Amino acid sequence: QLQLQESGPGLVKPSETLSLTCTVSGGSISSTGYYWAWIRQPPGKGLEWIGSIYYKGSTYYNPSLKSRVTISVDTSKNQFSLNLDSVTAADTAVYFCARRAMAAAELDYWGQGTLVTVS
Amino acid sequence: QSALTQPPSASGSPGQSVTISCTGTSSDVGGYNYVSWYLQYPGKAPKLMIYEVSKRPSGVPDRFSGSKSGNTASLTVSGLQAEDEADYYCTSYAGSVGGVIFGGGTKLTVL
Repeated sequence: QLQLQESGPGLVKPSETLSLTCTVSGGSISSTGYYWAWIRQPPGKGLEWIGSIYYKGSTYYNPSLKSRVTISVDTSKNQFSLNLDSVTAADTAVYFCARRAMAAAELDYWGQGTLVTVS
Repeated sequence: QSALTQPPSASGSPGQSVTISCTGTSSDVGGYNYVSWYLQYPGKAPKLMIYEVSKRPSGVPDRFSGSKSGNTASLTVSGLQAEDEADYYCTSYAGSVGGVIFGGGTKLTVL
């Protein structure tokens, strides 16, 4: 059974960089046919797509966040990571990692999510 | 890239059916048969309920069904049960530039 687990600091200062890692277990991040995605959810609000990456390194970002986001992959560790620059209080959210089907774009496996507070 | 439009709330009594809509544009919902629906309990990760407009992953009850007409997709929950009370989100593929777009979410209440 595929499992994803987010990890990283729960508190980040304004103007600094938010960095999170998602560790994939029970399957290979190098599987063809899937992207690996980051999604976030501010407290009490809806879900927002951040971006995704293919194991070979190609990335796709939400246009509204593109200038501040970098997603990278480390196939040797079966991990992918999120960096969000110049954070503000508006970036406070639960951050989820997930597996995204390449063709139909459904998100079929999710991590439990991790709360990151900017303060 | 605007969010897909969902009603903020929906409700029904046990045993009844309820339908939640998800409206986009010809660049997302109307342009691809790649609409998905997710159920989210408070404090939990979303769970995939429907993909490719109307397909159900293994383990999802057939009480959940999806459809699409033009730029609007719909999720129907039949035979409502107390455990169906949750937030529901739709998503759509929006092309190689647009990526994936979420709906604003609908809180389903079982009366």
